[in-house]
Amino acid sequence: DIRMTQSPSSLSASVGDRVTITCRASQSIVRYLNWYQQKPGKAPKLLIYETSTLQSGVPSRFSGSGSGTDFTLTITSLQPEDFATYYCHQSYSLGNFGQGTNLEIK
Amino acid sequence: DVQLLESGGGLVQPGGSLRLSCAASGFTFSNYAMTWVRQAPGQGLQWVSAIRGSGNDPYYADFVKGRFTISRDNSMNTLYLEMSSLRAEDTAVYFCAKGTIFGVATPFDSWGPGTLVTVSS
Repeated sequence: DIRMTQSPSSLSASVGDRVTITCRASQSIVRYLNWYQQKPGKAPKLLIYETSTLQSGVPSRFSGSGSGTDFTLTITSLQPEDFATYYCHQSYSLGNFGQGTNLEIK
Repeated sequence: DVQLLESGGGLVQPGGSLRLSCAASGFTFSNYAMTWVRQAPGQGLQWVSAIRGSGNDPYYADFVKGRFTISRDNSMNTLYLEMSSLRAEDTAVYFCAKGTIFGVATPFDSWGPGTLVTVSS
């Protein structure tokens, strides 16, 4: 099984800040890395797939990069609606998730 | 618009069984893999099981293998998860999720709202 490790597990930031979340795979997943946003009591929402492709309707302040085993999600100019939990997910072999990063308002 | 709606959750005793359903609409159901993902209270997302668009080749996480069975009825646009020998640690919200391709290693571009399964005596 491919293990996905996210860091940090929690993050405090202010509106307008730039934040970066990292995700590391236990083996190469090429570029088959996806990012989801989840708000309390709601289903996850796909933000970015295959490392860097924005899902339709997702604001351009979200971006992703990486390859192989190391990936990042960057949110520039945080908006109030961005405070949520973010998960990485590999789709190279079936599909394990990272443990999540809780992005909180400072 | 794609819509997914899970049903069948509830309270069940340890060792019991339950069948979850996921009704799909707004897309050609048989063209896409479908997956069950669960989330225990206060915990992260956990991939559970997936099935190709054709209904062949089901896949399972090790922690449910031999206890859960995934299936689909493409004529009814419905995904199922038959759960047996349930344990307290199976307590979670169960989401069905639509893949973006026919195969099971896929991002999930649509999710249902989830159905809560509680395993407790």
